[in-house]
Parts: sequence; structure tokens; C-alpha cells
Amino acid sequence: ELKVEQNPLFLSMQEGKNYTIYCNYSTTSDRLYWYRQDPGKSLESLFVLLSNGAVKQEGRLMASLDTKARLSTLHITAAVHDLSATYFCAVEAVGGGSNYKLTFGKGTLLTVNP
Amino acid sequence: SAVISQKPSRDICQRGTSLTIQCQVDSQVTMMFWYRQQPGQSLTLIATANQGSEATYESGFVIDKFPISRPNLTFSTLTVSNLSPEDSSIYLCSVESWQGARGYTFGSGTRLTVV
Repeated sequence: ELKVEQNPLFLSMQEGKNYTIYCNYSTTSDRLYWYRQDPGKSLESLFVLLSNGAVKQEGRLMASLDTKARLSTLHITAAVHDLSATYFCAVEAVGGGSNYKLTFGKGTLLTVNP
Repeated sequence: SAVISQKPSRDICQRGTSLTIQCQVDSQVTMMFWYRQQPGQSLTLIATANQGSEATYESGFVIDKFPISRPNLTFSTLTVSNLSPEDSSIYLCSVESWQGARGYTFGSGTRLTVV
């Protein structure tokens, strides 16, 4: 069974600081997703990482994937209050019935303080 | 990417009753996925629904409790049956979608409270 471990689970940052969220997974996969969820809202897709060494950047967020280490990182640069949300990584793998499915990490609750 | 309309957005239900959640997609999709998000928790896949075949349920979820219909390529329903307070959660549907690469789009969610 695929396990996805995300850490830290809680992150309190000051505006302007940098930090990294880590996502480890237990079995082979070449496809990893990062999502953002605001309180009471659904999931917003941030990044789709498709292959080893993939790096994507959008604004103050940068995501990378190392399939050999089974590790993805989400790096936050110069945090601002608007980034406060819960961030999930999700790993795609073949599930029952030979369909692809996503397994989510527990999420990182990010709070950016002034 | 696909746009999903999920209804209802929230409901308060009595113990022992059932709630049916609908998801309508603006394009034809092969698979639809149903997730549960318990308060303060991550998302857990309940089942995968392919049109024209029985849904595939994940470990810990059974058809009697979570019957799913998938009558066509743009619509699915999830029923949560015989409700108990432990069923209070957010339920989300999801579909594969194209976002520059194959990705997944989520509905807005249904917040269920069982009293």
C-alpha cells in the first residue's frame, strides 16, 4: 500500500522568510501533485510533476520531484500572508481495478504571520 | 480543464437518514473519483466510478454504505447511507482533467453534518 508522508504538518512562518515542505512516498511513481486548500474551500491544483528532476515554479512557490529518492519538495520564497493555507501533496499510482488513483499526504497547515 | 458542479454544498442530516451528492462535469470523462475529508484531515479515496461498470471501492468502504451511480460520462452520485455522526465530513468528487498534463480537478465539496 502506497504511503505518503508530508512534513511538517504545521508551519508558522514570518513574512519574508523561506521554508520547504517535504513529501516522501513509499512506492514507485512518476507523477506527483501539489494542491492548495483554503479553509472551507475545495482543492486548487498548484503543480503537476511528471518525471525525475522536474522543477516547476509559480510566483513564490517552487516544486521539485526526485523519483529515485521518492521525494518532492515545495519551497516557499519570501512568504506573504496570502500563502496561508493547507498544502497537500498527492502521489498517483495504480490502484485496485488497474485504475490510477491519488494518495494524499496529511497536509501542511501554513500560517504566515506579519 | 474540466469544470465540476457539485451539489449540495452543505447539508445537516438526521441520524439514520441518507444523503445523495451529485457531481456534474462539463465534459465527458472516463473515471470519476469520490473522496472523504474528515474534519482537519487529509483526503481519502472512497471509490472510483467508471461509466457502465460497478464502482471500485477502497479498503474500508463498502457499497451498502456508499452506493454510487454513474449513469453517463458527465454525471455521478454518491449516497451516504444510514448516517451517523462519524459520517460528518466533506465529500468531494474529482475527475481527470488536462492541465498542461493529465491532472485532477476537484468539485467544490459537500459539507455534511450529521446530528
